[in-house]
This record gives sequence, C-alpha cells and structure tokens, in this order.
Amino acid sequence: EAGVAQSPRYKIIEKRQSVAFWCNPISGHATLYWYQQILGQGPKLLIQFQNNGVVDDSQLPKDRFSAERLKGVDSTLKIQPAKLEDSAVYLCASSLRLAGAGSGNEQFFGPGTRLTVL
Amino acid sequence: AQTVTQSQPEMSVQEAETVTLSCTYDTSESDYYLFWYKQPPSRQMILVIRQEAYKQQNATENRFSVNFQKAAKSFSLKISDSQLGDAAMYFCASKPSNAGGTSYGKLTFGQGTILTVHP
Repeated sequence: EAGVAQSPRYKIIEKRQSVAFWCNPISGHATLYWYQQILGQGPKLLIQFQNNGVVDDSQLPKDRFSAERLKGVDSTLKIQPAKLEDSAVYLCASSLRLAGAGSGNEQFFGPGTRLTVL
Repeated sequence: AQTVTQSQPEMSVQEAETVTLSCTYDTSESDYYLFWYKQPPSRQMILVIRQEAYKQQNATENRFSVNFQKAAKSFSLKISDSQLGDAAMYFCASKPSNAGGTSYGKLTFGQGTILTVHP
C-alpha cells in the first residue's frame, strides 16, 4: 500500500514570496491533515479536512495560509506572502476516518516538506 | 482541550538495554486514544504503539510497551533490547475518540524526546 506522498521535499524562498505544497493521501482515506513542525517541537495542526470539507482550521493563519482539497483526494497548502517564522517542516497526514472506535482513526504521515524562508 | 507534556528533552541508552520515555497528559474527554510516534532524522513520522483509554491492559508491540496509568494521566513508553535503529525523536500524542464538540478528534502532540542509542 502506497503511503502519503508530499512534494516538494525541500523549498527555499525569500520572505514575501509565495509557496505551495502538495499532498496525496493514502487511497481511500477520507481525512487529511496539514501540520506545521518547527525545529525541535511537536507538530501543530493547521487544518483538517473530511473528504473535501474543512473540519477544523482554527489554527491556520488565514491572512497568509490557505488550503484546499478539491475532489476529496489531493490537497494543496499555500503560503502567501511567506514570513521568516514560517520556516518549518510541513507534514501531511491522512486517516481512514476522523474519529470513532478501532484503528481507523490512526494517522499516517508523509515525509514532509522542509521550508526555509530567507 | 488536551495537553501533552514530555519532560525529558533528551534520553540515551546503551544498545541492548532498556529505556523508558515519560509522558503526561491532560484531557477533558471521557474517551480517548494515546499514541507514541517515532520520527527518525529522515522526518517520516511512524506510529509505534497505541493505547485505547478504556482498556486497562497495557499495549505491547514487540520490544515496545507502555505503562498506562489513567488516574495519574501518565503514559510512558518502554523500549526493551534497544537497537541503533531506535534512535529518533519520540512524540507522545493524545486524540479524543469522538469528533464532536470543539476537539474535532484532533491529535495533540507533546514536545518530543530525542533518544540516542550508544553502541
């Protein structure tokens, strides 16, 4: 079974530029998550989708970050304009379902995209 | 609301020996899951072990086991017969079992513990 795919793996941009990250979840997984992981810290949830609808985006800085999941499969996360403090690893994860009993709510993570803002 | 605290920023162990990583949590949820994730330097986050809070029996996965103390809100990870490949950042995490309210079934991570394995 293929895992969660992300691209690019690395990105270096100047501040005030824009950047986009792509994620392809595990086939059949309804729930998709984007996390921001600053060096030396645990991942922080930015947004989560159930199919193509947003479940929670309370921690997404909406003045500069946006995300979409068209057709309930792939997702893109965009930052425009980027700030120095956006330098982090952006992780995408997916799960079979959002919650409930059993193992179906376990999240599987992609390799991440390391963003450096200069 | 959920909080997860890992009080050990770094731990080290000799190969073949046993090490225990600590984790405490707080949650207002009545039913929840607890997880340990491993993140090697390559960054791919891998699930090590999961515990359902309503189960009293501690989860085990080969060399990995947990000590779940529900009343104390403690969830430690024991790695037996440590191997060089166990070296990584380990994250403790909690997740409500329900997606209702404001939790949305959100997974909350601790700050992580870097584990070094010495040959």
